[in-house]
Amino acid sequence: AQSVSQHNHHVILSEAASLELGCNYSYGGTVNLFWYVQYPGQHLQLLLKYFSGDPLVKGIKGFEAEFIKSKFSFNLRKPSVQWSDTAEYFCAASPYNQGGKLIFGQGTELSVKP
Amino acid sequence: SAVISQKPSRDICQRGTSLTIQCQVDSQVTMMFWYRQQPGQSLTLIATANQGSEATYESGFVIDKFPISRPNLTFSTLTVSNMSPEDSSIYLCSVNAGGTDNYGYTFGSGTRLTVV
Repeated sequence: AQSVSQHNHHVILSEAASLELGCNYSYGGTVNLFWYVQYPGQHLQLLLKYFSGDPLVKGIKGFEAEFIKSKFSFNLRKPSVQWSDTAEYFCAASPYNQGGKLIFGQGTELSVKP
Repeated sequence: SAVISQKPSRDICQRGTSLTIQCQVDSQVTMMFWYRQQPGQSLTLIATANQGSEATYESGFVIDKFPISRPNLTFSTLTVSNMSPEDSSIYLCSVNAGGTDNYGYTFGSGTRLTVV
């Protein structure tokens, strides 16, 4: 079955540390990939998305992600996190020609210590 | 991107009753999606709603429990029927403003449902 896996359930970092959150998907065909963020008490916001082209995509708030097709991965990175990055991060995949639905990973809770 | 108004934002309901959640979009969209986010968990797709046809339900979700209406291209409702405490979740609607192009998914602010 199609699925999205996020490697880390809870990540704790100090401010200015670098961040990398893992995401793998299981689908052999063309897939669009997304990272969403959910700040405490708020709704989902799109951080970045990959459809095609340059596998390194840049999103809002200094986040970027790299699509590695051979590894079925789409890891999220940020060189230096801030306390305000404390949130839940969701990786999601939308397999092509499957009605546009999103399959979400389990989510990674990021806590940044000031 | 599309703007979604979802209501109610939260509700506390008695078991055995039903709640209808409304989702209004500020532009016409082909597909609308309903998700459930159980406490501490990720989002799970309940169904996809296209205007003028029956909703398509994902495995584990049935129409009798989660009937959906899609009367036009800007509006949809999800009903949670015969509720039990296990239905306590956040329910979200989502649209893809790009139609089938997988662009620009937008989510509503969610309905936090507590069943007592």
